[in-house]
Amino acid sequence: AQKITQTQPGMFVQEKEAVTLDCTYDTSDQSYGLFWYKQPSSGEMIFLIYQGSYDEQNATEGRYSLNFQKARKSANLVISASQLGDSAMYFCAMREDVAQKLVFGQGTRLTINP
Amino acid sequence: GAGVSQSPRYKVAKRGQDVALRCDPISGHVSLFWYQQALGQGPEFLTYFQNEAQLDKSGLPSDRFFAERPEGSVSTLKIQRTQQEDSAVYLCASSRPPAYEQYFGPGTRLTVT
Repeated sequence: AQKITQTQPGMFVQEKEAVTLDCTYDTSDQSYGLFWYKQPSSGEMIFLIYQGSYDEQNATEGRYSLNFQKARKSANLVISASQLGDSAMYFCAMREDVAQKLVFGQGTRLTINP
Repeated sequence: GAGVSQSPRYKVAKRGQDVALRCDPISGHVSLFWYQQALGQGPEFLTYFQNEAQLDKSGLPSDRFFAERPEGSVSTLKIQRTQQEDSAVYLCASSRPPAYEQYFGPGTRLTVT
């Protein structure tokens, strides 16, 4: 069975600092994808970044990068130069290629302090 | 272009009433998903359509939940005889293979009293 674990219920970071949000996953499949979504207080889930299990390089999208360590089954999100607008819930999710659905972790609430 | 839209945004139902939640996916997105998000939790999968075909309904919690997408675009999630445990935010998402990312709508917050 799939499982996504996010061990940090809450994180507090000073503006302009970098922050790493942890995510570990469990799957027996060889082909899968890992995602990070941001959910502000408005409730909408915003896609941030995607990493395929066969991708050799870590994914990057602007200030977001995904630290993918396949052997450790971890897919941490790194946000560089944090901004006040980054305050939100962040969810890690996994998709196995056989099944289309996303399986989400419990989320991490990130608060950026001025 | 327009994103995924959902209506209504908020719904209050008395226990035992039937409700219908609507999702308009992004134009051209053949895949459509429904998720349920309880307060303080991550979203949980309910069901998945590819065009008009419902390919996976393994996440529907009971036979009171029914989803359809008759013309392969708009989808409706129906909950019959609502119970208090059905209170949650219902999220719809769409995607266009071979891209993997799913784009979510704003959700419908259902409160059953």
